[in-house]
Amino acid sequence: TQLLEQSPQFLSIQEGENLTVYCNSSSVFSSLQWYRQEPGEGPVLLVTVVTGGEVKKLKRLTFQFGDARKDSSLHITAAQPGDTGLYLCAAHRGKTSYDKVIFGPGTSLSVIP
Amino acid sequence: DTGVSQNPRHKITKRGQNVTFRCDPISEHNRLYWYRQTLGQGPEFLTYFQNEAQLEKSRLLSDRFSAERPKGSFSTLEIQRTEQGDSAMYLCASSPDRTQETQYFGPGTRLLVL
Repeated sequence: TQLLEQSPQFLSIQEGENLTVYCNSSSVFSSLQWYRQEPGEGPVLLVTVVTGGEVKKLKRLTFQFGDARKDSSLHITAAQPGDTGLYLCAAHRGKTSYDKVIFGPGTSLSVIP
Repeated sequence: DTGVSQNPRHKITKRGQNVTFRCDPISEHNRLYWYRQTLGQGPEFLTYFQNEAQLEKSRLLSDRFSAERPKGSFSTLEIQRTEQGDSAMYLCASSPDRTQETQYFGPGTRLLVL
């Protein structure tokens, strides 16, 4: 059973469109991270959110942590081909046990020029 | 380049052979993690080191898997008697003590067991 669920699983859009991907769980997390992974490479950290309701912006990317710290969303404005990749959310349920780091299955995004 | 490095990047082996992967973390990072990632899935935690001490091991890490970090710097992950189900991307990540949530990943070693 996936403790972190991500939706949609796959997304193919045209360059310039906006999109939102979601990360959901029934568990409460102390923090949540978003990563982007390109084929054949390791995940690259985009952002960490800690506070419920927190919103962080990274250029055209907007990240939000749910008020209850159980879910998060990533919104991309005016998507570009360079945004193509696998978007992973990861979370810690505790602060001291490292095998509690869990990843979602990812959303595979393809931005068509 | 001061990021996490992994070698080899790709490995093809026959079932039953042993393989060893190496990870060089970011130099000032005390914590080092190994993950396994299969197609269409997120990374799954395997094990974690604080300096040279192996502090956590996942149930996924069978007795055919062993990891070491002898001097608290680089780490190796060995798989003995490989099986086709071991085919995956093996990722290494490191983090500094002060930010336990933020992990920096290497490019991974892709293993194919024939």
